[in-house]
Amino acid sequence: DQQVKQNSPSLSVQEGRISILNCDYTNSMFDYFLWYKKYPAEGPTFLISISSIKDKNEDGRFTVFLNKSAKHLSLHIVPSQPGDSAVYFCAAISNYQLIWGAGTKLIIKP
Amino acid sequence: NAGVTQTPKFQVLKTGQSMTLQCAQDMNHEYMSWYRQDPGMGLRLIHYSVGAGITDQGEVPNGYNVSRSTTEDFPLRLLSAAPSQTSVYFCASGGSVFEQFFGPGTRLTVL
Repeated sequence: DQQVKQNSPSLSVQEGRISILNCDYTNSMFDYFLWYKKYPAEGPTFLISISSIKDKNEDGRFTVFLNKSAKHLSLHIVPSQPGDSAVYFCAAISNYQLIWGAGTKLIIKP
Repeated sequence: NAGVTQTPKFQVLKTGQSMTLQCAQDMNHEYMSWYRQDPGMGLRLIHYSVGAGITDQGEVPNGYNVSRSTTEDFPLRLLSAAPSQTSVYFCASGGSVFEQFFGPGTRLTVL
């Protein structure tokens, strides 16, 4: 049973608009979450993280929101740029291990 | 710094063959890990190590062995390859599980 779920396999957004990627988790013991970005034929690269003691974390154009009661987090990218086209993974830390979602492919249209 | 290097980039094996996927890092990181990624799925942890001489199992360890004799190297051994092990394998290293840098991956096909 998947503990971290990304229910949208793909998302298409116009350049300059906001991209919102969603992630749900089932284990209430998870207390730290990360977002990774992955281009084809490359390894994932770290994007942004959030601890469960916060409900928001910002880094430039990227903001992650955490709703613990709903066991839901989201990644906002504003404004979206062509270079943001990639697969985005949500992951949770549990016992020195990363538990990953299946990823959402973001396509930024010019 | 070369970062995290993985060799080979591509490999084709026959069922029953054994091989070792190499992973090396030059950042003096204590934490190293191996993942596999299958189509439509997230990465799944195979084995990890929190320092030289220390390894532990992840979510999908069956069919794989690891060792960590040095800080720099963390090889992954497939003992008897099976078609179910066809996947893309990623090695990562970091100061901890909270910050990991990934290699470019090894694409393995088992016929």
